[in-house]
Amino acid sequence: QITLKESGPTLVKPTQTLTLTCTFSGFSLSTSGVGVGWIRQPPGKALEWLALIYWDDDKRYSPSLKSRLTITKDTSKNQVVLTMTNMDPVDTATYYCAHSLAADYWGQGTLVTVSS
Amino acid sequence: DIQMTQSPSSLSASVGDRVTITCRASQGISNYLAWFQQKAGKAPKSLIYAASSLQSGVPSKFSGSGSGTDFALTISSLQPEDFATYYCQQYYSFPLTFGGGTKVEIK
Repeated sequence: QITLKESGPTLVKPTQTLTLTCTFSGFSLSTSGVGVGWIRQPPGKALEWLALIYWDDDKRYSPSLKSRLTITKDTSKNQVVLTMTNMDPVDTATYYCAHSLAADYWGQGTLVTVSS
Repeated sequence: DIQMTQSPSSLSASVGDRVTITCRASQGISNYLAWFQQKAGKAPKSLIYAASSLQSGVPSKFSGSGSGTDFALTISSLQPEDFATYYCQQYYSFPLTFGGGTKVEIK
């Protein structure tokens, strides 16, 4: 079955760079058509889509955050990494990774707090 | 960007009620729409994809309908485990976008 799990720091300081890793199983990111995306949710607020990477290394980003985001994949390790630069307290949120455009499978999420 | 507008933002209903949540896209998205259920403190769970296709393992009391710009999620008979927040998402074009959510509470 398909599973995903996010990992990374729970606390980052303002201006620092956040690096999150999504480790997955049950599918391969070398299979045609497959993609993995990142979504976040500030406490008490709605979901916000951030980025997605396809099996062929095509990458898509939220226009409002594009300058701060980088998404990469390591097919051999079954991992997708998201980096977000210049973190701010407003970036405090639970960050999720998900399988496919339609997000049919989600990780459990990881809460990242931005505070000095 | 395609804006997704859900209504209502919240509703109160009783066990056994039939509940319908709507989602409107700011432009046509064919049937590239998904619905999610999120319980407090948990990750979203996929219920519906392609506007009306039920995800494996999701009870048939959930159904989706619509195409183009107007969509609906219906719960045929609300049960205690269905009290949650529901989101729609379009995956017709990038950036992918979510609705603002509909919180379903107990009356």
